[in-house]
Amino acid sequence: GAGVSQSPSNKVTEKGKDVELRCDPISGHTALYWYRQSLGQGLEFLIYFQGNSAPDKSGLPSDRFSAERTGGSVSTLTIQRTQQEDSAVYLCASSVGTGGFSGANVLTFGAGSRLTVL
Amino acid sequence: AQRVTQPEKLLSVFKGAPVELKCNYSYSGSPELFWYVQYSRQRLQLLLRHISRESIKGFTADLNKGETSFHLKKPFAQEEDSAMYYCALGGYQKVTFGTGTKLQVIP
Repeated sequence: GAGVSQSPSNKVTEKGKDVELRCDPISGHTALYWYRQSLGQGLEFLIYFQGNSAPDKSGLPSDRFSAERTGGSVSTLTIQRTQQEDSAVYLCASSVGTGGFSGANVLTFGAGSRLTVL
Repeated sequence: AQRVTQPEKLLSVFKGAPVELKCNYSYSGSPELFWYVQYSRQRLQLLLRHISRESIKGFTADLNKGETSFHLKKPFAQEEDSAMYYCALGGYQKVTFGTGTKLQVIP
């Protein structure tokens, strides 16, 4: 597609439920990032996928959070047993890749998925 | 390890005043530096890259390798510049973002 698509745009759930957030990156982009943005706060890195390499999961806040990327394209972020502190906007971004060549590291962001946990 | 530091969470300036958003980085190789901006209710988007050496919306940023800085500057702030600004560093690893600076331009 022309841009990074995220769904759902808004999700309201009850504490303790599981949620799945989806990201469709730009076709051909090998790098994919998930970030979290809490109200009034900056970007919090969650996870990074690059091609077929093992993902960098160093930003995941707990084992309730997981993500996968199927076929090197679509990614799903799953939050199990949601808590109220999980309420935030979850952003996905993709780029051509890494490796130092011009433009490889330019990220295109999606509009985000706003998660509200009641 | 690569790291980006934005020391100010909030910067308030009057309309017409000069703006400087600070960014310092730590990286052992040749860095690629970016500024991203997020206006209210809009997507986070690229503002400028050091490699392009261009001025976007009146903003410029110069990479200073000696001081490991990439400060964002604009000579005369406008109300529409009010937004969240993020400095980012790219190299051979994942892109790393700073914590962001909220710029508030007071009319």
